[in-house]
Amino acid sequence: NAGVTQTPKFRVLKTGQSMTLLCAQDMNHEYMYWYRQDPGMGLRLIHYSVGEGTTAKGEVPDGYNVSRLKKQNFLLGLESAAPSQTSVYFCASRSTGTPQETQYFGPGTRLLVL
Amino acid sequence: AQSVTQPDIHITVSEGASLELRCNYSYGATPYLFWYVQSPGQGLQLLLKYFSGDTLVQGIKGFEAEFKRSQSSFNLRKPSVHWSDAAEYFCAVKGFSGGYNKLIFGAGTRLAVHP
Repeated sequence: NAGVTQTPKFRVLKTGQSMTLLCAQDMNHEYMYWYRQDPGMGLRLIHYSVGEGTTAKGEVPDGYNVSRLKKQNFLLGLESAAPSQTSVYFCASRSTGTPQETQYFGPGTRLLVL
Repeated sequence: AQSVTQPDIHITVSEGASLELRCNYSYGATPYLFWYVQSPGQGLQLLLKYFSGDTLVQGIKGFEAEFKRSQSSFNLRKPSVHWSDAAEYFCAVKGFSGGYNKLIFGAGTRLAVHP
């Protein structure tokens, strides 16, 4: 089991460029999450999904879009990157039968927007 | 509003010394509280959790935490720190807002361990 994997590990973008971050899990989990981590602010939820074909907004969804076309993948898109989106992005997943706190986290994607 | 405060941004201890990381929460009902650890370049890993019952909870890697309702605190402790404990530690509370359950994280405390 690879668990939760994220690609890419690191990316530099120019303002206005677009990109997609990929999260994949091989644990057959229903729930998947995207967080951003900023210094002094902990993790904040961007979007989440409770199953294939579903997505919902979290705390800080503006500027991001997501898709869950396959159960194992959760994509996070930035249509027009801004410097304020410089952050470390974490994906997480959990199964329906487990409580909220037992989320399995990926290793993160570090994004720098110039 | 539900929130978590970790007053110490950065702590340095010597290997073998004891450790206490502070966490204060704001939550109207009985909180569900958690501590996570993030090693460099890794995702978050759950260390321990408190739901109810015994206010002293044991976790992995020799960590424990004590829930004190009167102080709204859930401090993390370890009697003897190892160099491999150098990491960032996040306290979190389970909250509900915007129509969904969620984890509310503190800003984190970065732990450095001197040999």
